[in-house]
Amino acid sequence: GIQVEQSPPDLILQEGANSTLRCNFSDSVNNLQWFHQNPWGQLINLFYIPSGTKQNGRLSATTVATERYSLLYISSSQTTDSGVYFCAVERRGSEKLVFGKGTKLTVNP
Amino acid sequence: EPEVTQTPSHQVTQMGQEVILRCVPISNHLYFYWYRQILGQKVEFLVSFYNNEISEKSEIFDDQFSVERPDGSNFTLKIRSTKLEDSAMYFCASSEALRVRSNQPQHFGDGTRLSIL
Repeated sequence: GIQVEQSPPDLILQEGANSTLRCNFSDSVNNLQWFHQNPWGQLINLFYIPSGTKQNGRLSATTVATERYSLLYISSSQTTDSGVYFCAVERRGSEKLVFGKGTKLTVNP
Repeated sequence: EPEVTQTPSHQVTQMGQEVILRCVPISNHLYFYWYRQILGQKVEFLVSFYNNEISEKSEIFDDQFSVERPDGSNFTLKIRSTKLEDSAMYFCASSEALRVRSNQPQHFGDGTRLSIL
């Protein structure tokens, strides 16, 4: 099956810092989504981005489908950004999202 | 914005008991999914459901599990005889069905935390 690798596994930042999270995948995809899992376990959908670039406030994402990777940028990080960030992809011909293991982000005040 | 709702938010059940987790997908969505996440691990696909039948399932989705759309709004996951290792967060998701289904995002509920004692 398709492999999804996220890096780094852990990231610790000071409030106000910027960061880049990476997601590599091993096959062509129809769908790519970024999620933030908050301390209560909820999965918050950040971006639906099978290709191209999108921005939402301090967050932006870019997917280069031909090179099989996606990047999530967080600027001016806040303590509320802490949590686990998951990348999930849907391989062509499949209906399921395959999740990476996530990047655990800790933003310290 | 319409959302996927799941009930209950937390379910505690004795090992060996049956449990039913409930989901109300977004109203115009026709594809439904269940995923689970064991504590500290990644989210795993269980099953997808379309047109009143299972369209894809994982090896985790064995004979202990079943899904049903009992009416026009609910989508349920049943575990017949729960085991300790079934303790996890269970997420329901739904997506639109257009003429070409691909390239539609999946919308997730807040999850049901299932604890087996």
